[in-house]
Amino acid sequence: GAGVSQSPSNKVTEKGKDVELRCDPISGHTALYWYRQSLGQGLEFLIYFQGNSAPDKSGLPSDRFSAERTGGSVSTLTIQRTQQEDSAVYLCASSYRLTEQFFGPGTRLTVL
Amino acid sequence: TQLLEQSPQFLSIQEGENLTVYCNSSSVFSSLQWYRQEPGEGPVLLVTVVTGGEVKKLKRLTFQFGDARKDSSLHITAAQPGDTGLYLCAGWNNAGNNRKLIWGLGTSLAVNP
Repeated sequence: GAGVSQSPSNKVTEKGKDVELRCDPISGHTALYWYRQSLGQGLEFLIYFQGNSAPDKSGLPSDRFSAERTGGSVSTLTIQRTQQEDSAVYLCASSYRLTEQFFGPGTRLTVL
Repeated sequence: TQLLEQSPQFLSIQEGENLTVYCNSSSVFSSLQWYRQEPGEGPVLLVTVVTGGEVKKLKRLTFQFGDARKDSSLHITAAQPGDTGLYLCAGWNNAGNNRKLIWGLGTSLAVNP
């Protein structure tokens, strides 16, 4: 079956603009995670969904970042008033048994 | 705060050489996972180790979980160019009702033909 998909694959935006990043998890996976990865670095946890609720938002760097998940499926990560330090690869992962995470290819965000 | 430290951060070797990557913490984890990430892709799970002292083998890769479940190692025998990538270790934090992976910063491996 299809894996985790993310869109867009690349996004270039100007400082101060808002962006929306989308994640389509594997069908039936109840858990969904958003991470941020800077060049060649490890993963920075942003937020975790179980179903449509977010029990852990502790990783969101500021109130400019928000995320939602509807229908227990698609999730959107929104960054308002983007800053240059927001430039990174944003990865989404889904999981069924909270053991293995299946990752999408990521969205590379560049803020000019 | 639970942290996972990986070493070395970068490794460049010739094809056929052996190498070991380490993942260390002062905290106990219920399990540790190793992922490999190639450029432009998300990480892919290689193995999960659960029991202290456990050793798992995946072809030329050998994974070990420390007896105290605080550290892990990945040993690659006779490395191939196809082993090139970013190797990430991650441990499960079962604090409270939240379950999330604690990630190391990764070891970037380059295997030269």
